[in-house]
Amino acid sequence: DSGVTQTPKHLITATGQRVTLRCSPRSGDLSVYWYQQSLDQGLQFLIQYYNGEERAKGNILERFSAQQFPDLHSELNLSSLELGDSALYFCASSPRQGTGELFFGEGSRLTVL
Amino acid sequence: GDSVTQMEGPVTLSEEAFLTINCTYTATGYPSLFWYVQYPGEGLQLLLKATKADDKGSNKGFEATYRKETTSFHLEKGSVQVSDSAVYFCALSANNAGNMLTFGGGTRLMVKP
Repeated sequence: DSGVTQTPKHLITATGQRVTLRCSPRSGDLSVYWYQQSLDQGLQFLIQYYNGEERAKGNILERFSAQQFPDLHSELNLSSLELGDSALYFCASSPRQGTGELFFGEGSRLTVL
Repeated sequence: GDSVTQMEGPVTLSEEAFLTINCTYTATGYPSLFWYVQYPGEGLQLLLKATKADDKGSNKGFEATYRKETTSFHLEKGSVQVSDSAVYFCALSANNAGNMLTFGGGTRLMVKP
């Protein structure tokens, strides 16, 4: 158990809909990262937050947004969903910058029909 | 930009066989290098890391040496077990990227008894 909690574990929805994925980092970790894992794209970095502020942005679509709240949990919002958004979305947290050690949650599997 | 290339899988071995999973990288400067492992149904876990040239990371019988001259970080294990069956990801973290990791495509290892 990494200590990172993601909900929901599975989500099935239709094209055009909007979903929210939630992540609770390990106790005391200030950084939260979101990754997308799909069969054709592999693991893609989406976005990082550090203590409530956006720190780095990767290949995140404009239809996607994220935020980190004062209690450090984070949400990833996916809107106008397309079939190609079907993937496993991972959240990870880390205690501090620069070590490269991320603690991953078990992921949220999104299926868009 | 930074990138990581791993050998494609699946790699199928018999128990007690020797394992090598190749990983090469492209990055400016001196990145830190990592191997993460993903067991079925779980998130990624850090397996080992190396932060500078010629460093050897090791854990649970796995080893990898940071080779700057060949920009490689190959994963090895002398005798694999069925319980090592998983997907292995090579990753790098650039000096100025905090903990943002760039992952390779992953290599699935299947160990047969």
